[in-house]
Amino acid sequence: EAGVTQFPSHSVIEKGQTVTLRCDPISGHDNLYWYRRVMGKEIKFLLHFVKESKQDESGMPNNRFLAERTGGTYSTLKVQPAELEDSGVYFCASSQGAGANTEAFFGQGTRLTVV
Amino acid sequence: AQKITQTQPGMFVQEKEAVTLDCTYDTSDQSYGLFWYKQPSSGEMIFLIYQGSYDEQNATEGRYSLNFQKARKSANLVISASQLGDSAMYFCAMRPSLWGGATNKLIFGTGTLLAVQP
Repeated sequence: EAGVTQFPSHSVIEKGQTVTLRCDPISGHDNLYWYRRVMGKEIKFLLHFVKESKQDESGMPNNRFLAERTGGTYSTLKVQPAELEDSGVYFCASSQGAGANTEAFFGQGTRLTVV
Repeated sequence: AQKITQTQPGMFVQEKEAVTLDCTYDTSDQSYGLFWYKQPSSGEMIFLIYQGSYDEQNATEGRYSLNFQKARKSANLVISASQLGDSAMYFCAMRPSLWGGATNKLIFGTGTLLAVQP
């Protein structure tokens, strides 16, 4: 069974450009999460989809970030326009259930560098 | 506020020895889950072990065990018989219960970088 996959694995863009990150969750997982780790800091929650609906987007930094999950399958996270402080590793995770004991499976992350 | 604290930015351990990675948490929820993830240099996050707040026994998974002390709000990870492949970043995380409408996002600590020396 394929795990959570993320594309691209690395991205280097200039300030002001647009970048779109993609996440393919494990098949059948209704719950999809985006997290971000800025260098040296903790991994922070960005948002949570249940199927195609945004369940919680309280962690989204600002309106330069737009996440979508059309059809409840893969998800994209667009940053437009990118700023220097957006650099970090963006993780996607998926889970079947949503309880406190539910294991979340993570992708390998996308390392975004804004120069 | 819900928070995870990992006070050890980095740790060294000799191969074949045991090591404890500290984790304390802060929550007012009665029901929650605690997780440890390993992140090797390749970048992926690998689930290691889970402890539920109502579990009376400490969780164990092979060489990993979780020293859960609920009154102290600590959930330390113990790795026995360290191997070179254990060198990685380790993250402690908490997931609040969904009861009462709370979000079920994972709350992470800053991580501990473990280096296993031959």
